[in-house]
Amino acid sequence: KAGVTQTPRYLIKTRGQQVTLSCSPISGHRSVSWYQQTPGQGLQFLFEYFSETQRNKGNFPGRFSGRQFSNSRSEMNVSTLELGDSALYLCASSPGDRGGVKNIQYFGAGTRLSVL
Amino acid sequence: DQQVKQNSPSLSVQEGRISILNCDYTNSMFDYFLWYKKYPAEGPTFLISISSIKDKNEDGRFTVFLNKSAKHLSLHIVPSQPGDSAVYFCAAFTSGTYKYIFGTGTRLKVLA
Repeated sequence: KAGVTQTPRYLIKTRGQQVTLSCSPISGHRSVSWYQQTPGQGLQFLFEYFSETQRNKGNFPGRFSGRQFSNSRSEMNVSTLELGDSALYLCASSPGDRGGVKNIQYFGAGTRLSVL
Repeated sequence: DQQVKQNSPSLSVQEGRISILNCDYTNSMFDYFLWYKKYPAEGPTFLISISSIKDKNEDGRFTVFLNKSAKHLSLHIVPSQPGDSAVYFCAAFTSGTYKYIFGTGTRLKVLA
């Protein structure tokens, strides 16, 4: 079974631009979550999509948005990039409809975004 | 409001000794706790989990202990190996909301 695939792996943008990141979940998984990792801040939860609907949301500004397609693939968009948006963006997939250990999240390798 | 806290940003341990990583939480609604390990340039990988109705779960060299009254869990690695050097994240999960909350991570360095 293929794992979680994130593209691109690396991205360099300038302030004010917008960016779209992509995530393909494990086959059969209907939940995709997005996280931002910065040094000292751990994994900050952005949002979670389940069956094309946003089910959970973190405390990020509206510049961060996402969507999920009918095949469970997900995209995350950041508009009007700021220097502080430089981070590793991780996506994780899970079945999304099971309890406890049956709903373990599996992560992709991440997209490293650098904003200059 | 950090609901899951890992108060030690880093830890160094000699090879062969025990590594103990700690995690505290504030929300009594969490019903599963998990540990993930992360190497540089890779995504976190699941290591071990424990249900809130248990107090211990063991898998090979890894054991997780849960103290519900103290809202504290710990990961024990015995014996520690250089390949265990990584960042370890504690996570809490609520089945009702399907939401995960991660801690800030502890960087473990196992010295050969």
